[in-house]
Amino acid sequence: KAGVTQTPRYLIKTRGQQVTLSCSPISGHRSVSWYQQTPGQGLQFLFEYFSETQRNKGNFPGRFSGRQFSNSRSEMNVSTLELGDSALYLCASSILALPNTGELFFGEGSRLTVL
Amino acid sequence: TQLLEQSPQFLSIQEGENLTVYCNSSSVFSSLQWYRQEPGEGPVLLVTVVTGGEVKKLKRLTFQFGDARKDSSLHITAAQPGDTGLYLCAGRMDSSYKLIFGSGTRLLVRP
Repeated sequence: KAGVTQTPRYLIKTRGQQVTLSCSPISGHRSVSWYQQTPGQGLQFLFEYFSETQRNKGNFPGRFSGRQFSNSRSEMNVSTLELGDSALYLCASSILALPNTGELFFGEGSRLTVL
Repeated sequence: TQLLEQSPQFLSIQEGENLTVYCNSSSVFSSLQWYRQEPGEGPVLLVTVVTGGEVKKLKRLTFQFGDARKDSSLHITAAQPGDTGLYLCAGRMDSSYKLIFGSGTRLLVRP
């Protein structure tokens, strides 16, 4: 079956702009989590959506937001971009809502560069 | 400060050698997972351990969860170039939604 699909794969923005990233989970998966990966901080949890509701949120400023649609597809938005937002943004889906010991299936990520 | 510290950060070895990667914390985790991430891809789950002292084997990979559930190790026997990648441990505390990732160990296996 098709894996987790993230678009776009690469994008370049300038400071102050905003960006929207999209994630289509594996069919049947209702939980979508977002992570930020940087060389210095590693993988940091952003938030999790389950059945169109944000259930959990990490320690990121309000500039980072997201939503989930009825078909479980999710988007995350970053407003007023800063240089430090340059990172690989990873989306992961799972059948169950967190917390659970089940597997997270990750997409290939969207690599954002802020100039 | 990372809640989960991995060591070493980088490891470059010759094909056929053995290696061990460590994942340590001062906190107790209800479960711990190991992922491998290759360039240009997302992490892929290798194993989940939930019981203190648990040992799981996946072909040439052996995973161990510490008795106190504060640490874990990954041992690779006779490493192959296909084992090259970023190895990440990730733990979840009791009743916590958040999967906390370690800093990662970047492994290069030279032919």
